[in-house]
Amino acid sequence: AQRVTQPEKLLSVFKGAPVELKCNYSYSGSPELFWYVQYSRQRLQLLLRHISRESIKGFTADLNKGETSFHLKKPFAQEEDSAMYYCALKGNTGKLIFGQGTTLQVKP
Amino acid sequence: DAGITQSPRHKVTETGTPVTLRCHQTENHRYMYWYRQDPGHGLRLIHYSYGVKDTDKGEVSDGYSVSRSKTEDFLLTLESATSSQTSVYFCAISEYEAGGHEQYFGPGTRLTVT
Repeated sequence: AQRVTQPEKLLSVFKGAPVELKCNYSYSGSPELFWYVQYSRQRLQLLLRHISRESIKGFTADLNKGETSFHLKKPFAQEEDSAMYYCALKGNTGKLIFGQGTTLQVKP
Repeated sequence: DAGITQSPRHKVTETGTPVTLRCHQTENHRYMYWYRQDPGHGLRLIHYSYGVKDTDKGEVSDGYSVSRSKTEDFLLTLESATSSQTSVYFCAISEYEAGGHEQYFGPGTRLTVT
């Protein structure tokens, strides 16, 4: 079965603290994984994709095939990082499978 | 924002009535998608299209139908709305499916079925 699990509904941290948003996936084969973000009153947008190995807005995510994880990390959270974050897997039909989403709340 | 609009942006309707949501794009992208967003479920694919008149079902297609008569428009129809279809509906577009290409999302339509 192809599945994406984001175990935390809400993650609340203080400004300047490290952040890790968890994402686990189930997929047989080489996965393509993404993080999408939805800021308040804005559209859902791509944050990063694992094949690019990029860092966007200070966020990084490393694919760990052994643990089937693609956690999103940032060393120092900012208030403007507060948003809903979705992990997504491109399934074998070519369609995106989204996790349940995690709301990140960064407190001042 | 990519040129994607959705109409209406908000709608309240009664159980049993038909509802049509419209997604319009100006990017000339081949692929279009309809998702619903629900707490605890994230985004789930309802239907998608890979070209004019070419559509297929997604994960949660029961109770929904779609049509795409022009590249730029993708319509989602609830033939007889039910309370379980109260949700936020997002349209998305993509130029390609392969190679990790990005999906661009519309602003969403909040539908309430009373």
